[in-house]
Amino acid sequence: SQQGEEDPQALSIQEGENATMNCSYKTSINNLQWYRQNSGRGLVHLILIRSNEREKHSGRLRVTLDTSKKSSSLLITASRAADTASYFCATGTDKLIFGTGTRLQVFP
Amino acid sequence: DAGVIQSPRHEVTEMGQEVTLRCKPISGHDYLFWYRQTMMRGLELLIYFNNNVPIDDSGMPEDRFSAKMPNASFSTLKIQPSEPRDSAVYFCASSLASWVMNTEAFFGQGTRLTVV
Repeated sequence: SQQGEEDPQALSIQEGENATMNCSYKTSINNLQWYRQNSGRGLVHLILIRSNEREKHSGRLRVTLDTSKKSSSLLITASRAADTASYFCATGTDKLIFGTGTRLQVFP
Repeated sequence: DAGVIQSPRHEVTEMGQEVTLRCKPISGHDYLFWYRQTMMRGLELLIYFNNNVPIDDSGMPEDRFSAKMPNASFSTLKIQPSEPRDSAVYFCASSLASWVMNTEAFFGQGTRLTVV
């Protein structure tokens, strides 16, 4: 069974706009990770946030974590067409379980 | 390192045939994972190994599926006999340590399996 559920399932925006994706999970975690998957490719790790962290930045990415609500958000600022991909959150303790993903389409 | 290498990239087989998917993890990584991705079920963890030993195979759907890791640099996922509902993209991933140690997973490019 899946641990994380992303919201929205799909998101379409224009270049330059910000994209926000949300993830909810069910059980306690050690960390939460976000991955990107381009069409027909494998998943690529973007960022990891530990359970004792509330916010983390990496370039144009900003991740927040609220363990009391069992939720996380991924913000991509100033989006580019190259950001078009599916984004997954993943959580777990002994094994990493992925959510359902958000399909992001960025139009030039 | 070339990353996680999977072969073949595409496999088309007839129902009832045996299928073997292969994976070479990143050198030095102690953990290896097999995932299956479909539109209906998303990414499912099938099995994972630690130091070549299977730790959790609770995600393996049926006895038709088996996985081995004879050494630190090679793993196989076998389906025998294959069925059309096994059609999916199968990913292998490896990591340096367990998720408890806050490490990331590195994925291969996947094998797209089509069973007709």
